[in-house]
Amino acid sequence: DVVMTQSPLSLPVTLGQPASISCRSSQSLVHSDGNTYLNWFQQRPGQSPRRLIYKVSNRDSGVPDRFSGSGSGTDFTLKISRVEAEDVGLYYCMQGTHWPRTFGQGTKVEIK
Amino acid sequence: QVQLVESGGGLVKPGGSLRLSCEVSGFTFSDYHMNWIRQAPGKGLEWLSYISSSGSTIYYADSVKGRFTISRDNAQNSLYLQMNSQRVEDTAVYYCARDGRWSGGFDIWGQGTMVTVSS
Repeated sequence: DVVMTQSPLSLPVTLGQPASISCRSSQSLVHSDGNTYLNWFQQRPGQSPRRLIYKVSNRDSGVPDRFSGSGSGTDFTLKISRVEAEDVGLYYCMQGTHWPRTFGQGTKVEIK
Repeated sequence: QVQLVESGGGLVKPGGSLRLSCEVSGFTFSDYHMNWIRQAPGKGLEWLSYISSSGSTIYYADSVKGRFTISRDNAQNSLYLQMNSQRVEDTAVYYCARDGRWSGGFDIWGQGTMVTVSS
């Protein structure tokens, strides 16, 4: 199985400041069709997960443009340009290239 | 409005069975592949199973293979997860999630249903 490793696991941030989460996969996420199926999800406290980013860098509908995704191959990053109070929660990367689909351990974003 | 609503969770004894349902609305169910994902208390997300739009292709995580069965009824706009031989470690919130088209991920999630396996 593809192991997804996130860092850091805990991320205290100051409101208005940027934040960055890293996600590394144990093997390349480039699919035979040429796409890289790397997703990012946000889970606010007490809520279901919500997808933010798909195929590395595509924002889902309604996702603020302060969220951005980048990376390639085995190294990926989720960036929040200016953290707002509503961004508190858990963030997960997930690969959809290989079966079984696998998630990272999650990164907890909290306000300092 | 696109919506997924899970039901069927509850308390079950080890070795017991439970059937979860996920009723969808707001989109053409038969056009989409679907998944079940779970989250144990205080833990991360674990993908469990996938079923293609027609039901012809199914995948399972090793942790549930042989014990859980995914199915769907496109006429009833419903997804199911039959869970047999349950273990204490199956205790979790179970989510159904829509497979986003050509995106390799889950674009819509339900609110989840809690399953507790305990004697």
